[in-house]
Amino acid sequence: DTGVSQDPRHKITKRGQNVTFRCDPISEHNRLYWYRQTLGQGPEFLTYFQNEAQLEKSRLLSDRFSAERPKGSFSTLEIQRTEQGDSAMYLCASSLGQGTYQETQYFGPGTRLLVL
Amino acid sequence: GQQVMQIPQYQHVQEGEDFTTYCNSSTTLSNIQWYKQRPGGHPVFLIQLVKSGEVKKQKRLTFQFGEAKKNSSLHITATQTTDVGTYFCAGLTGGTSYGKLTFGQGTILTVHP
Repeated sequence: DTGVSQDPRHKITKRGQNVTFRCDPISEHNRLYWYRQTLGQGPEFLTYFQNEAQLEKSRLLSDRFSAERPKGSFSTLEIQRTEQGDSAMYLCASSLGQGTYQETQYFGPGTRLLVL
Repeated sequence: GQQVMQIPQYQHVQEGEDFTTYCNSSTTLSNIQWYKQRPGGHPVFLIQLVKSGEVKKQKRLTFQFGEAKKNSSLHITATQTTDVGTYFCAGLTGGTSYGKLTFGQGTILTVHP
């Protein structure tokens, strides 16, 4: 499968615990995005990387959230001291960004997080 | 900040009826993209519109981008049960945020056979 993959697909954790999600983009894609989607809403942008550089972070991304893409390939999203409000689907997308406005983002299957 | 609104929130149709969802942005867009998300699935890219007044067709789906590049619509002719899902528009404003998509809240389509 050459699409975007995410791991794990589901995560149940207790409030206050730390969780880490992984995203593997399509291999030649230089841009990687994280979104969060809650029930009945569209995905909300969290952050994005061009290669290993994190170029933009949403105000939704509090200090408890950190994302990395150390070698410009896979990315991790960590949430520290989880809260019940963090329960959502975390989506990763990748694209071949070439400095134009015509890139297509391909989404992974998402990681569904439930904080008890 | 930029906002993208979609209407209606829900649409129930009988199989064979047409369906339209509308998308409006608070700011001028560089392009607009449409995605479909099946229940339990992830967003799947359908199409991208870039030019003012652009119209694109994919079989029974017709997509339009407004002249002012602030609104868009998706029209499905003669719906089928396979069209069930949530349809999202997502706008791109460009600048330094090349890929930062702002999604609408989606229109949930159900089709009764």
